[in-house]
Amino acid sequence: QKEVEQDPGPLSVPEGAIVSLNCTYSNSAFQYFMWYRQYSRKGPELLMYTYSSGNKEDGRFTAQVDKSSKYISLFIRDSQPSDSATYLCAMSGAGNQFYFGTGTSLTVIP
Amino acid sequence: DAGVIQSPRHEVTEMGQEVTLRCKPISGHDYLFWYRQTMMRGLELLIYFNNNVPIDDSGMPEDRFSAKMPNASFSTLKIQPSEPRDSAVYFCASSLAGAATNEKLFFGSGTQLSVL
Repeated sequence: QKEVEQDPGPLSVPEGAIVSLNCTYSNSAFQYFMWYRQYSRKGPELLMYTYSSGNKEDGRFTAQVDKSSKYISLFIRDSQPSDSATYLCAMSGAGNQFYFGTGTSLTVIP
Repeated sequence: DAGVIQSPRHEVTEMGQEVTLRCKPISGHDYLFWYRQTMMRGLELLIYFNNNVPIDDSGMPEDRFSAKMPNASFSTLKIQPSEPRDSAVYFCASSLAGAATNEKLFFGSGTQLSVL
């Protein structure tokens, strides 16, 4: 079993829709949870960072962590064409490595 | 800060040739990571350094791959000889402290390697 599981999609939604992206993980020692956004032919850029369970909001983006279920989510409200990218979840806090999901490809259609 | 800087952005080479990828981490960052990204396997950790010392190279696929970090501001990933299956995007990333802390990981723009 992989440390982090993420549905690769692809996901296609109309502009203005609410998008939900999810990851599950197996290592209960993870403490730090991240979402990276990767545009085509670019490096991943850190989008959201959370510690432990709960919600964190930043503009149209909300990151949610449920440690009891080993499940994290990223919600995008009022999605825009500029949100079209691949979103990778990542986790750390268990050793000196960062563990990544395989990424979900999102397309927002105008 | 300019962020993590990688060169070249694109590399096209023929099978059997030596390839050298370069990385300059963010100043002051003690950890440097090399990743390979493919559609099939996503991001794979190849090797990481702490204070210029290789800590874990278990992700390096074969002896054809080697990495060095001669100083805090420079690292190289070398493939010799290169093979078509090495074609991928190679990312360098750096972090102020390790993943066991609450420090964040920052990526370079990557090197798109094509081995013909």
